Amino acid sequence: NAGVTQTPKFQVLKTGQSMTLQCAQDMNHNSMYWYRQDPGMGLRLIYYSASEGTTDKGEVPNGYNVSRLNKREFSLRLESAAPSQTSVYFCASSWRASYNEQFFGPGTRLTVL
Amino acid sequence: TQLLEQSPQFLSIQEGENLTVYCNSSSVFSSLQWYRQEPGEGPVLLVTVVTGGEVKKLKRLTFQFGDARKDSSLHITAAQPGDTGLYLCAGVKPGLYAGNNRKLIWGLGTSLAVNP
Repeated sequence: NAGVTQTPKFQVLKTGQSMTLQCAQDMNHNSMYWYRQDPGMGLRLIYYSASEGTTDKGEVPNGYNVSRLNKREFSLRLESAAPSQTSVYFCASSWRASYNEQFFGPGTRLTVL
Repeated sequence: TQLLEQSPQFLSIQEGENLTVYCNSSSVFSSLQWYRQEPGEGPVLLVTVVTGGEVKKLKRLTFQFGDARKDSSLHITAAQPGDTGLYLCAGVKPGLYAGNNRKLIWGLGTSLAVNP
Protein backbone atom coordinates (compact mmCIF):
# COMPACT_ATOMS: atom_id res chain seq x y z
CA ASN A 1 0.00 0.00 0.00
CA ALA A 2 1.28 3.44 -0.91
CA GLY A 3 -0.81 5.22 1.75
CA VAL A 4 -1.30 8.89 0.83
CA THR A 5 0.46 10.14 -2.28
CA GLN A 6 0.83 13.74 -3.43
CA THR A 7 2.02 15.27 -6.66
CA PRO A 8 4.04 17.27 -7.43
CA LYS A 9 6.66 17.28 -4.67
CA PHE A 10 8.00 20.71 -5.62
CA GLN A 11 6.52 23.55 -7.68
CA VAL A 12 7.48 27.12 -8.49
CA LEU A 13 4.78 29.45 -9.81
CA LYS A 14 4.64 33.07 -10.84
CA THR A 15 2.05 35.34 -9.28
CA GLY A 16 -1.28 34.88 -11.05
CA GLN A 17 -0.60 31.39 -12.39
CA SER A 18 -2.89 28.52 -11.52
CA MET A 19 -2.20 24.94 -10.56
CA THR A 20 -3.78 21.84 -9.04
CA LEU A 21 -2.22 19.76 -6.31
CA GLN A 22 -3.18 16.11 -6.51
CA CYS A 23 -3.75 13.74 -3.60
CA ALA A 24 -4.77 10.09 -3.54
CA GLN A 25 -5.15 7.51 -0.78
CA ASP A 26 -5.47 3.75 -1.07
CA MET A 27 -6.62 3.03 2.49
CA ASN A 28 -10.36 3.30 1.75
CA HIS A 29 -10.65 6.24 4.16
CA ASN A 30 -13.80 8.33 4.10
CA SER A 31 -12.34 11.69 5.16
CA MET A 32 -9.62 13.69 3.47
CA TYR A 33 -7.94 17.01 4.35
CA TRP A 34 -5.72 19.71 2.91
CA TYR A 35 -3.36 21.61 5.22
CA ARG A 36 -0.69 24.20 4.78
CA GLN A 37 2.31 24.39 7.10
CA ASP A 38 4.20 27.61 7.63
CA PRO A 39 6.98 28.43 10.13
CA GLY A 40 5.52 29.68 13.39
CA MET A 41 1.95 29.04 12.22
CA GLY A 42 1.78 25.28 12.49
CA LEU A 43 -0.62 23.16 10.47
CA ARG A 44 -3.67 25.06 9.27
CA LEU A 45 -6.65 23.38 7.67
CA ILE A 46 -7.60 24.70 4.25
CA TYR A 47 -10.48 22.40 3.24
CA TYR A 48 -11.73 18.99 4.18
CA SER A 49 -14.03 16.34 2.81
CA ALA A 50 -15.87 14.24 5.38
CA SER A 51 -17.02 11.79 2.73
CA GLU A 52 -17.19 11.38 -1.01
CA GLY A 53 -19.33 14.12 -2.49
CA THR A 54 -18.93 16.64 0.35
CA THR A 55 -16.41 19.38 0.99
CA ASP A 56 -16.18 22.05 3.70
CA LYS A 57 -14.03 25.06 4.45
CA GLY A 58 -11.37 24.97 7.10
CA GLU A 59 -9.54 27.84 8.77
CA VAL A 60 -7.84 29.37 5.71
CA PRO A 61 -9.88 28.60 2.56
CA ASN A 62 -9.51 31.92 0.73
CA GLY A 63 -7.72 31.58 -2.60
CA TYR A 64 -8.26 27.83 -2.83
CA ASN A 65 -10.81 25.42 -4.26
CA VAL A 66 -11.09 21.66 -3.84
CA SER A 67 -12.63 18.71 -5.61
CA ARG A 68 -13.36 15.31 -4.10
CA LEU A 69 -13.18 13.41 -7.36
CA ASN A 70 -14.02 10.02 -5.83
CA LYS A 71 -13.33 8.24 -2.54
CA ARG A 72 -9.61 8.01 -3.32
CA GLU A 73 -8.79 11.44 -4.72
CA PHE A 74 -8.96 14.97 -3.30
CA SER A 75 -7.41 17.83 -5.28
CA LEU A 76 -6.55 21.39 -4.26
CA ARG A 77 -6.60 24.17 -6.83
CA LEU A 78 -4.99 27.59 -6.68
CA GLU A 79 -6.78 29.71 -9.29
CA SER A 80 -4.50 32.76 -9.15
CA ALA A 81 -1.43 32.12 -7.05
CA ALA A 82 -0.13 34.81 -4.68
CA PRO A 83 3.20 35.01 -2.81
CA SER A 84 1.25 34.54 0.45
CA GLN A 85 0.45 31.02 -0.75
CA THR A 86 4.10 30.02 -0.64
CA SER A 87 4.01 27.11 1.79
CA VAL A 88 4.26 23.37 2.24
CA TYR A 89 0.94 21.67 1.50
CA PHE A 90 -0.06 18.38 3.05
CA CYS A 91 -2.92 16.08 2.22
CA ALA A 92 -4.20 13.70 4.88
CA SER A 93 -6.89 11.08 5.26
CA SER A 94 -8.65 9.54 8.25
CA TRP A 95 -11.03 6.66 8.92
CA ARG A 96 -12.29 7.11 12.46
CA ALA A 97 -14.48 10.16 12.90
CA SER A 98 -14.34 9.83 16.68
CA TYR A 99 -10.57 10.11 17.01
CA ASN A 100 -9.83 11.57 13.58
CA GLU A 101 -6.36 10.04 13.45
CA GLN A 102 -4.77 11.30 10.27
CA PHE A 103 -2.39 9.80 7.77
CA PHE A 104 -0.34 12.31 5.83
CA GLY A 105 1.22 12.45 2.42
CA PRO A 106 4.83 13.59 1.89
CA GLY A 107 3.83 17.17 1.05
CA THR A 108 4.19 19.62 -1.83
CA ARG A 109 6.61 22.51 -1.41
CA LEU A 110 5.16 25.46 -3.34
CA THR A 111 6.94 28.73 -4.03
CA VAL A 112 5.07 31.64 -5.60
CA LEU A 113 7.31 34.38 -6.99
CA THR B 1 -5.10 31.94 20.56
CA GLN B 2 -3.51 28.51 20.36
CA LEU B 3 -5.79 26.00 22.07
CA LEU B 4 -2.95 23.52 22.47
CA GLU B 5 0.29 24.96 23.83
CA GLN B 6 3.41 22.87 23.38
CA SER B 7 6.59 23.35 25.36
CA PRO B 8 9.41 23.70 24.99
CA GLN B 9 9.37 25.08 21.47
CA PHE B 10 12.93 23.90 20.80
CA LEU B 11 15.05 21.28 22.55
CA SER B 12 18.63 20.23 21.78
CA ILE B 13 20.09 17.37 23.80
CA GLN B 14 22.87 14.80 23.70
CA GLU B 15 22.32 11.17 22.79
CA GLY B 16 21.41 9.13 25.86
CA GLU B 17 19.64 11.92 27.75
CA ASN B 18 16.02 11.76 28.87
CA LEU B 19 13.49 14.44 28.01
CA THR B 20 9.85 15.37 28.43
CA VAL B 21 7.76 17.59 26.20
CA TYR B 22 4.35 18.95 27.09
CA CYS B 23 1.04 19.67 25.43
CA ASN B 24 -1.27 21.83 27.53
CA SER B 25 -4.71 23.35 27.21
CA SER B 26 -7.38 25.01 29.31
CA SER B 27 -9.97 23.01 27.35
CA VAL B 28 -11.03 19.39 27.70
CA PHE B 29 -10.34 17.03 24.82
CA SER B 30 -11.99 13.70 24.15
CA SER B 31 -8.69 12.39 22.79
CA LEU B 32 -5.18 13.58 22.05
CA GLN B 33 -2.74 12.35 19.46
CA TRP B 34 1.02 12.68 19.10
CA TYR B 35 2.75 12.85 15.74
CA ARG B 36 6.41 13.03 14.72
CA GLN B 37 7.45 14.91 11.61
CA GLU B 38 10.90 14.48 10.09
CA PRO B 39 12.35 17.17 7.81
CA GLY B 40 10.83 17.07 4.35
CA GLU B 41 8.13 14.57 5.34
CA GLY B 42 4.54 14.60 6.54
CA PRO B 43 3.61 14.01 10.19
CA VAL B 44 3.35 10.38 11.26
CA LEU B 45 0.92 9.29 13.97
CA LEU B 46 2.66 7.84 17.05
CA VAL B 47 -0.18 7.30 19.51
CA THR B 48 -3.71 8.26 20.52
CA VAL B 49 -4.66 8.66 24.19
CA VAL B 50 -8.30 8.62 25.11
CA THR B 51 -8.85 8.05 28.83
CA GLY B 52 -7.88 10.53 31.55
CA GLY B 53 -4.73 9.29 33.31
CA GLU B 54 -3.94 6.87 30.49
CA VAL B 55 -0.29 5.94 29.94
CA LYS B 56 0.92 4.36 26.71
CA LYS B 57 4.41 3.16 25.89
CA LEU B 58 5.99 2.85 22.49
CA LYS B 59 9.50 1.44 22.98
CA ARG B 60 11.43 4.31 24.64
CA LEU B 61 8.53 6.77 24.32
CA THR B 62 5.97 7.13 27.12
CA PHE B 63 2.79 9.12 26.55
CA GLN B 64 0.47 10.29 29.30
CA PHE B 65 -2.96 11.90 29.14
CA GLY B 66 -3.78 14.14 32.08
CA ASP B 67 -6.47 13.10 34.54
CA ALA B 68 -8.68 16.03 33.49
CA ARG B 69 -7.99 15.37 29.78
CA LYS B 70 -6.61 18.90 29.33
CA ASP B 71 -2.96 18.04 28.88
CA SER B 72 -0.53 15.38 27.76
CA SER B 73 3.17 14.65 27.98
CA LEU B 74 5.69 12.69 25.98
CA HIS B 75 8.75 11.31 27.74
CA ILE B 76 11.67 9.88 25.79
CA THR B 77 14.19 7.70 27.60
CA ALA B 78 17.78 7.51 26.36
CA ALA B 79 17.18 9.66 23.30
CA GLN B 80 18.83 8.67 20.04
CA PRO B 81 19.62 10.73 16.91
CA GLY B 82 16.75 8.92 15.16
CA ASP B 83 14.35 10.63 17.58
CA THR B 84 15.16 14.00 15.98
CA GLY B 85 12.11 15.71 14.54
CA LEU B 86 9.12 17.92 15.19
CA TYR B 87 6.71 16.47 17.76
CA LEU B 88 3.14 17.63 17.31
CA CYS B 89 0.15 17.09 19.54
CA ALA B 90 -3.40 17.30 18.20
CA GLY B 91 -6.74 16.96 19.92
CA VAL B 92 -10.38 16.27 19.26
CA LYS B 93 -12.91 18.38 21.15
CA PRO B 94 -15.81 16.59 22.81
CA GLY B 95 -19.15 16.58 21.07
CA LEU B 96 -20.53 15.71 17.69
CA TYR B 97 -18.28 14.25 15.02
CA ALA B 98 -19.86 16.30 12.28
CA GLY B 99 -19.02 19.75 10.98
CA ASN B 100 -16.28 21.71 12.70
CA ASN B 101 -15.68 19.00 15.26
CA ARG B 102 -14.09 16.96 12.50
CA LYS B 103 -11.18 19.35 12.67
CA LEU B 104 -8.18 18.42 14.74
CA ILE B 105 -6.83 21.14 17.01
CA TRP B 106 -3.06 21.28 16.49
CA GLY B 107 -0.25 22.52 18.66
CA LEU B 108 2.73 24.30 17.07
CA GLY B 109 5.11 21.51 18.00
CA THR B 110 8.38 20.90 19.82
CA SER B 111 11.43 20.71 17.58
CA LEU B 112 13.82 18.13 19.03
CA ALA B 113 17.45 17.69 18.01
CA VAL B 114 19.38 14.75 19.44
CA ASN B 115 23.10 15.15 18.91
CA PRO B 116 25.38 12.09 18.65
